[in-house]
Amino acid sequence: EVQLLESGGGLVQPGGSLRLSCAASGFTFTDYAMSWVRQAPGKGLEWVSTVSGGGDITYYADSVKGRFTISRDNSKYTLSVHMNSLRAEDTAIYYCATQGVFGSGSWGQGTLVTVSS
Amino acid sequence: DIQLTQSPSFLSASVGDRVTITCRASQGISSYLAWYQQKPGKAPKLLIYAASTLQSGVPSRFSGSGSGTEFTLTISSLQPEDFATYYCDQLNSYPRTFGQGTKLEI
Repeated sequence: EVQLLESGGGLVQPGGSLRLSCAASGFTFTDYAMSWVRQAPGKGLEWVSTVSGGGDITYYADSVKGRFTISRDNSKYTLSVHMNSLRAEDTAIYYCATQGVFGSGSWGQGTLVTVSS
Repeated sequence: DIQLTQSPSFLSASVGDRVTITCRASQGISSYLAWYQQKPGKAPKLLIYAASTLQSGVPSRFSGSGSGTEFTLTISSLQPEDFATYYCDQLNSYPRTFGQGTKLEI
């Protein structure tokens, strides 16, 4: 059974940093690109970032480019995102998800990030 | 960037109804479109990928069609558990984008 378990969310002040992690199990991790998708309270889904299966290719939404860094450790089946210069508008539930060519078939339960003073 | 526009944004329906949700892309995306269902407090669930392929385990009352710029998600006979919010998602090019969502209510 595929499992994705996010951790690292919490309350952080504007301008602060946070690192989210996603522990994966139940599938061959390197077979999939992995993504972070977020959802602000009461809002829709917003794609944040994707990393290729080998970890060498990354993509970012313009809203986070230069502030967020996605990475993966294939030996530990772990996906991460390091978030710097956090803003109030980054407040959201952050989901990690597998990304195939045609969609995201597996999602974690999400971790809440709140940016507030 | 490719914009996805879903219609309607809200849909009121009854158990047993047939409903259709449309997703229009601002430029052609071939069949690189997925549909998700999301219930309150839960992660999205993949229903349809490659525009028309039913994800394993998803009931056959769900179907998808379209290619290029216009896509539809159809639920042939609504069940109580289908009341949720539905999103389309394009994976043709980065940045990946989602539609704004369609909330299906009783």
